[in-house]
This record gives sequence, structure tokens and C-alpha cells, in this order.
Amino acid sequence: AQSVTQPDIHITVSEGASLELRCNYSYGATPYLFWYVQSPGQGLQLLLKYFSGDTLVQGIKGFEAEFKRSQSSFNLRKPSVHWSDAAEYFCAMNRDDKIIFGKGTRLHILP
Amino acid sequence: NAGVTQTPKFQVLKTGQSMTLQCAQDMNHNSMYWYRQDPGMGLRLIYYSASEGTTDKGEVPNGYNVSRLNKREFSLRLESAAPSQTSVYFCASSEAGGAIGGNQPQHFGDGTRLSIL
Repeated sequence: AQSVTQPDIHITVSEGASLELRCNYSYGATPYLFWYVQSPGQGLQLLLKYFSGDTLVQGIKGFEAEFKRSQSSFNLRKPSVHWSDAAEYFCAMNRDDKIIFGKGTRLHILP
Repeated sequence: NAGVTQTPKFQVLKTGQSMTLQCAQDMNHNSMYWYRQDPGMGLRLIYYSASEGTTDKGEVPNGYNVSRLNKREFSLRLESAAPSQTSVYFCASSEAGGAIGGNQPQHFGDGTRLSIL
């Protein structure tokens, strides 16, 4: 069955440290993949998207993600986090008349 | 630059009451969506409208109805509210036309926080 898994419910990192949020998908071919961010009390905002081509995609706010077909993964990274990055992050997959969101990873930042 | 506008932002209902959540987008998008967000559950699709004049069920449609009033507006109705429908409701839109699941990202409103007592 098609699915999106975010293995980490919560992640805590120190301000200035690097970040990697994991996302795995289950689908027979290459889906369209997205990362969204949700700040408290807000809707979801698109960070970046992958359709095809270069497997390393750049997004807004200094985020990037790498598509790895062999691992069915689309992990989100940032070299140095800022306190304002504290939010919930959702990985999503579009394909075959389905839109599937992961359950989210909440990012906490230590000062 | 309004994007997707949802009204109201907050609402408290009693069990059995009815209510309509409103959503409007000003981006000329073809597709519109209603989600609910519950702790630990992520976003679950309630209904969607791939294009003006069409609506289809999503993952959790029971207890809800929708109307695609025109290209801009997509409303969600709770005919007889139940405590299990306490949630945060998000409306979204995208450029994708026809079937959903395309390569266009979705644009979200800020949500309606609904409590049912």
C-alpha cells in the first residue's frame, strides 16, 4: 500500500547544529514528493518539491532534500538551524489520485 | 496577497448542531481540498474538488458534506456535529486540474479550530 512514514515524532537539536528529518515512502514508481512546514497556529507552507531530475533539491529558508530511490527516502536537511525553525514538518507524496501526508516531525530547538 | 482564506478561525458547537466552514482562494486554482488535522494523525483528506463542478470523497468523508460553489469557493458542512469531529480543519488549493495526485503543491489556509461539546 502507498504510504509516507516519518519515523521521528519529535527531534531536538541545538541552535546552529545541523538537521536531518527522515521521510520514507512506499510506492511502485517515483512519486511526486514534497516537504511542508507548519508553524504554531498556521497552515502548511511548502518548503520544496521533487518531481524528477536532480535528486538534490533546494527549497526556501535554507532547506534542501535528497531523493534516494534505492532507499525510498526523501530526507530534509539544513546545515545550521535557527530558533525560528522550530515547527512541525510534514513529508507528502502525490501520485495516482492520492495525496498522502506523513504524520509529521516536531522540531524543537535548544538555545 | 490573501491566498487561501478560511472562516471562521475558531468555533465551538454543541453536539447535534450544524455548521458550514467556508474557504475561498484567489489564485485561480482548479483543485481544492478539505483536511482535518488531529494530534498524532497528521493530515487526513476529507473531500476534494478536482475542478469546478466536481467533488469526491477522500479518506475520512463520513459526517461531512461539501459544496464547490464556484471556482473560488469550497465549503465544508457538518450536518450534525459529533465530539469526534473536534479537530483543526484546513482548506487547500492547487493548480492541478482533473484528477488529484498531480505535481502541483498545495497552498493552505490558516485553519479553523472546531470544538464540539
